[in-house]
Parts: sequence; structure tokens; C-alpha cells
Amino acid sequence: EVQLVESGGGLVKPGSSLKLSCVASGFTFSSYGMHWIRQAPKKGLEWIALIYYDSSNKYYADSVKGRFTISRDNSKNTLYLEMNSLRSEDTAMYYCAKGEFGPFAYWGQGTLVTVSS
Amino acid sequence: DIVMTQTPSSQAVSAGEKVTMSCKSSQSLLYSENKKNYLAWYQQKPGQSPKLLISWASTRESGVPDRFIGSGSGTDFTLTISSVQAEDLAVYYCEQYYDTPWTFGGGTKLELK
Repeated sequence: EVQLVESGGGLVKPGSSLKLSCVASGFTFSSYGMHWIRQAPKKGLEWIALIYYDSSNKYYADSVKGRFTISRDNSKNTLYLEMNSLRSEDTAMYYCAKGEFGPFAYWGQGTLVTVSS
Repeated sequence: DIVMTQTPSSQAVSAGEKVTMSCKSSQSLLYSENKKNYLAWYQQKPGQSPKLLISWASTRESGVPDRFIGSGSGTDFTLTISSVQAEDLAVYYCEQYYDTPWTFGGGTKLELK
């Protein structure tokens, strides 16, 4: 059974940094691209980043480009999202999702990031 | 970026009703080489992460009840629930994976009448 478990969220001040993790199990993590998708409170879904299975390519939404970095450690079955220069508009539930260029078939339960002074 | 527009934003329904919701994309999601539409539908219940219902515009995922029907091609797509059940009350999102950045519609919320 595919499982994705995010962690690392919390309450932080504007301008600060945070690193999210997503531990994967139930599939060969090193064979699949992985995404981060976020959802602001009471809002819709926004895709923010993709990393290829071998980290050879990374894509970002314009809203986070230059501030967020997606990475992975295939030896630990773990996906990361390093978030810098956080803004109030980054407040959201952050989900990791499995897949590369297809639909998002598997999602984690999410980790909440709140950016507030 | 491909803009996805869903209508209506909310809909009040009674159990047993047939429901349809629309999703329109700002450009065609039909890839000519394989004749596939790169369009998915998700269901999100309160406090839960989204669940993939339909991919390739009309292919139901394993375990999804057959009352959920996806249709359409090009830029116009529809999700139909043939007979709404209480457990179907949720927000439904369409999403295009034709091109980066992947984009979602704003959602259609199904509420109880």
C-alpha cells in the first residue's frame, strides 16, 4: 500500500525558513517523480514543485521560484521542500504526491504551514 | 499557464439526484499523438486530502463507484454523478496535466439541499 507521510510544518514568522519532509513507502520511491502541492485555508489547490525520480530535473511554480527548493534522498525514501523567505501567502496545507507527468494518484495527509507574525 | 474554470462553484443536491459539473480549459488538453485528454477529477472531503477519481478525462480509478462518469474532450469536460449519495458531498476539482505548470480548477462544492 502506497503511503506518503509529510512532516515539518508549523507556525513561523514572515521571512523565516522551514523544511518539510515526506516519507514514502509501499512503492519503489527511486523510480518515480514526486510533487509538492499546497492548499491555502478554504482555498483551492496549487501545484508548486516537481522533482524527477533521479533529481535530474526540477520544476517550480512562479509563486515559489527562487524561494523554495525541492530535493529528495532516494536512500531514505524521503522527499523534501526547503522554504525560504516565507510570506503570509505561503500559509497552507502542504501535500506531497506521487507521479511524474500523469495525474496525482497518491497524496499524503498534508502538513500545515502557518506564516504569521 | 493553462487556466481551468469550473462551474458552478457550489451546488445544492438531494440524495438520488443526477448531478453534472463543468470544467473548461483555456487551451486544448487533447494530445494529438495518442488521442488522450490530459484531464483528471479529484474529490476532496472535509479534513481529507484529495482523492483521484478519474484520469484521462473518462477513466475511473480502481474502486471508484460507476456512478461517477467523466466525459468531454479538448477544452470542455464534465463530471456526472448519476445518483448522488450522502457520501459524495465534497468539493470536486478538475486538473490538467497536459503542460507545466499543472493547474487546477477552483472546485465545485456539493452541498445538501
